[in-house]
Amino acid sequence: EAGVAQSPRYKIIEKRQSVAFWCNPISGHATLYWYQQILGQGPKLLIQFQNNGVVDDSQLPKDRFSAERLKGVDSTLKIQPAKLEDSAVYLCASSKRAGNSPLHFGNGTRLTVT
Amino acid sequence: DQQVKQNSPSLSVQEGRISILNCDYTNSMFDYFLWYKKYPAEGPTFLISISSIKDKNEDGRFTVFLNKSAKHLSLHIVPSQPGDSAVYFCAAGPSGGSYIPTFGRGTSLIVHP
Repeated sequence: EAGVAQSPRYKIIEKRQSVAFWCNPISGHATLYWYQQILGQGPKLLIQFQNNGVVDDSQLPKDRFSAERLKGVDSTLKIQPAKLEDSAVYLCASSKRAGNSPLHFGNGTRLTVT
Repeated sequence: DQQVKQNSPSLSVQEGRISILNCDYTNSMFDYFLWYKKYPAEGPTFLISISSIKDKNEDGRFTVFLNKSAKHLSLHIVPSQPGDSAVYFCAAGPSGGSYIPTFGRGTSLIVHP
């Protein structure tokens, strides 16, 4: 089975610019997650979708971050405007269902904000 | 406030020996636990999981032990191989409804030939 696809792999932008990341989950996986991983730390949840509805976005900085999952499949995460502290790897993950089901991660997008 | 702690940033082991990676959690609602392995420039790869109804789960060279009273779990790799060199993340969360695991900071394992 194909894994979680993410693009782009790398992105360098200046502060105050905008950026968007794309994720295509594993086919049939209803749950989709976006995590932020800052260097030297573990992944931190930004938002979780169940099909195309938001389950948890309590840690998403909504003044600058937005995410959507149209038609319950692909998802995009946007940052506008970017800050220096947004430099991180943005990981998308999917799982078959809610409840006890392991997450499967993509390779991430490494964002550098200068 | 770290709810999942991996207190050893790094671990060095000789090939063929046992690697033991430790993880502690503070939230008593956590009852489903995961271990991930991460190579540079790749996303985390799922290794093994354990539910709180068990105290041990085994998959080939990988065994996870859970001590609920101590809120502690460990991953044993026997025998360790150079290809096991990676960062290992522990993740935990409450099951039931939507599962949202919290991740530790990771332990970098180096297996020397």
